[in-house]
Amino acid sequence: GAVVSQHPSWVICKSGTSVKIECRSLDFQATTMFWYRQFPKQSLMLMATSNEGSKATYEQGVEKDKFLINHASLTLSTLTVTSAHPEDSSFYICSARDRRSSYNSPLHFGNGTRLTVT
Amino acid sequence: DAKTTQPTSMDCAEGRAANLPCNHSTISGNEYVYWYRQIHSQGPQYIIHGLKNNETNEMASLIITEDRKSSTLILPHATLRDTAVYYCIVRLSPTGTASKLTFGTGTRLQVTL
Repeated sequence: GAVVSQHPSWVICKSGTSVKIECRSLDFQATTMFWYRQFPKQSLMLMATSNEGSKATYEQGVEKDKFLINHASLTLSTLTVTSAHPEDSSFYICSARDRRSSYNSPLHFGNGTRLTVT
Repeated sequence: DAKTTQPTSMDCAEGRAANLPCNHSTISGNEYVYWYRQIHSQGPQYIIHGLKNNETNEMASLIITEDRKSSTLILPHATLRDTAVYYCIVRLSPTGTASKLTFGTGTRLQVTL
């Protein structure tokens, strides 16, 4: 089946530094990927939609200059958390859909990246 | 996308069927019902989806009422590994685009011995 891989699975960084998270579709191509954030004991919140070859679309309230998204190829999207602060500590999850699949096909999710900012 | 309502939590004995309800009374004709689950500290896992007919796969069955205002996910023989948060999502899927999924709070299913 379709596999979405995230790297790293966990990362600890110091306040003020930037962290890059990768999301790869391993056996399919995805023109669109989605980035979610999940705080403890809460549901997933969509942050942005990543479009290959164009600018990402951010959800209301998500700072595009803080959460930089690059989708340079059909198999890779990256999320960079710039100038991270402790409140950015969260579980970040990406998802993608095979571009060849029908419009109602399910999205496939990565296993998430746990970011801890100290 | 239509809003869904699910019970906050449910318990199920191992080996028994787990029936997880979902209410989506404002669903429109071209919206699909999707079910995902999230095991602790992992990404969501796709289970099943349907439009109006009942669906079955190797993981579960999806029963959608005739008026489509509610549905039930059935795990026929629950195991401890089925303990997770189960999300029912109603999603509009316009042709040619990858529409986003909006997650609600889900149902926390606890399978016990």
